[in-house]
Amino acid sequence: DTGVSQNPRHKITKRGQNVTFRCDPISEHNRLYWYRQTLGQGPEFLTYFQNEAQLEKSRLLSDRFSAERPKGSFSTLEIQRTEQGDSAMYLCASSLELAKETQYFGPGTRLLVL
Amino acid sequence: AQTVTQSQPEMSVQEAETVTLSCTYDTSENNYYLFWYKQPPSRQMILVIRQEAYKQQNATENRFSVNFQKAAKSFSLKISDSQLGDTAMYFCAFMGDSNYQLIWGAGTKLIIKP
Repeated sequence: DTGVSQNPRHKITKRGQNVTFRCDPISEHNRLYWYRQTLGQGPEFLTYFQNEAQLEKSRLLSDRFSAERPKGSFSTLEIQRTEQGDSAMYLCASSLELAKETQYFGPGTRLLVL
Repeated sequence: AQTVTQSQPEMSVQEAETVTLSCTYDTSENNYYLFWYKQPPSRQMILVIRQEAYKQQNATENRFSVNFQKAAKSFSLKISDSQLGDTAMYFCAFMGDSNYQLIWGAGTKLIIKP
């Protein structure tokens, strides 16, 4: 069994470039979540999918951010026109489609915008 | 809005000692879920223990137990017989009954000394 996987693990980009991250959830998990964690802080919720439907979006998710889960399996998070303030760890989690099931996290993608 | 507060930025204890990490939260909901997650250095977020607010009995998982005080909105984590592998950031998190996003505290850095 594999847990939640995320790729790439690290990404360095220049300001203004677009980046895309991928998350593969645990295979039987219908729910998928994205969080952002800056250094020394707890994670902040970005968005959540149930199957392919994006059901919740945080106000943190500006117009430059877009997330998709086209077939209800893996998900991608794209950041357009990156800014230095986007530098953070981007965490993905998944859970079963039962009420309030525990969220299981991947290792994260660390983004550095120069 | 719900908030989670962890007032201890860092704690340090000797191996085999018992340590208690504090967490308080604010919510107007009557039913909710509380979690402690552990994030070892450069490793992924791992669930330590969870508590449903409607359950009066405090949750326990081996050496880990919680003291859940609903009226005081307090949710502390006790680690007994601490081990070197317990060294990590510990995050307290809240999930309301009306959505699926986790609200996180800022974390407590726990160092277990040999």
